[in-house]
Amino acid sequence: EPEVTQTPSHQVTQMGQEVILRCVPISNHLYFYWYRQILGQKVEFLVSFYNNEISEKSEIFDDQFSVERPDGSNFTLKIRSTKLEDSAMYFCASSEGMGNQPQHFGDGTRLSIL
Amino acid sequence: QQQVKQSPQSLIVQKGGIPIINCAYENTAFDYFPWYQQFPGKGPALLIAIRPDVSEKKEGRFTISFNKSAKQFSLHIMDSQPGDSATYFCAVAPDTGRRALTFGSGTRLQVQP
Repeated sequence: EPEVTQTPSHQVTQMGQEVILRCVPISNHLYFYWYRQILGQKVEFLVSFYNNEISEKSEIFDDQFSVERPDGSNFTLKIRSTKLEDSAMYFCASSEGMGNQPQHFGDGTRLSIL
Repeated sequence: QQQVKQSPQSLIVQKGGIPIINCAYENTAFDYFPWYQQFPGKGPALLIAIRPDVSEKKEGRFTISFNKSAKQFSLHIMDSQPGDSATYFCAVAPDTGRRALTFGSGTRLQVQP
């Protein structure tokens, strides 16, 4: 069964540094998402992406964050000037088409800011 | 503002029991109600989803009951097994145009042998 893959599985970074989290969505999917989950808390929406542009973003997704689809397969989340509170699991998800099609999640990247 | 309230926070049942997890929402514009299962170290996995034009949906041992007038929906797990021990999240999404899922706070289910 096709799946969303994320790399790395764990990223440790010094505060203030930039990180790039990578995702390969399911190949025929058109909508891409990033969510985060702070340890022990609920999953929170960050951003959705369609047709090479952001279609929606939450209050969390400020100027510190950016997303990109640099080629036909990868979808990335960049976090600039990381802060301690950015430590969380970051999940990429993708869905097939219009409307509320099921979103399929990857296993996440654990980001630890020191 | 909490758009979806999930209860209970944790739940312990015996094997074969029927755990029930509840979610309540406020915004009547929501029209997609999925349930996700998450094991430690894994991403959320879609279990089952319902739209407001039906009151119940069953897939295998998992059933969603939906009460539109009360703005509540619940997940029932029939004949629960120790392998069902996981965290369960309800989620909501509004009608087309916005696809962001808003998740509940999660329910940690433990099924004892």
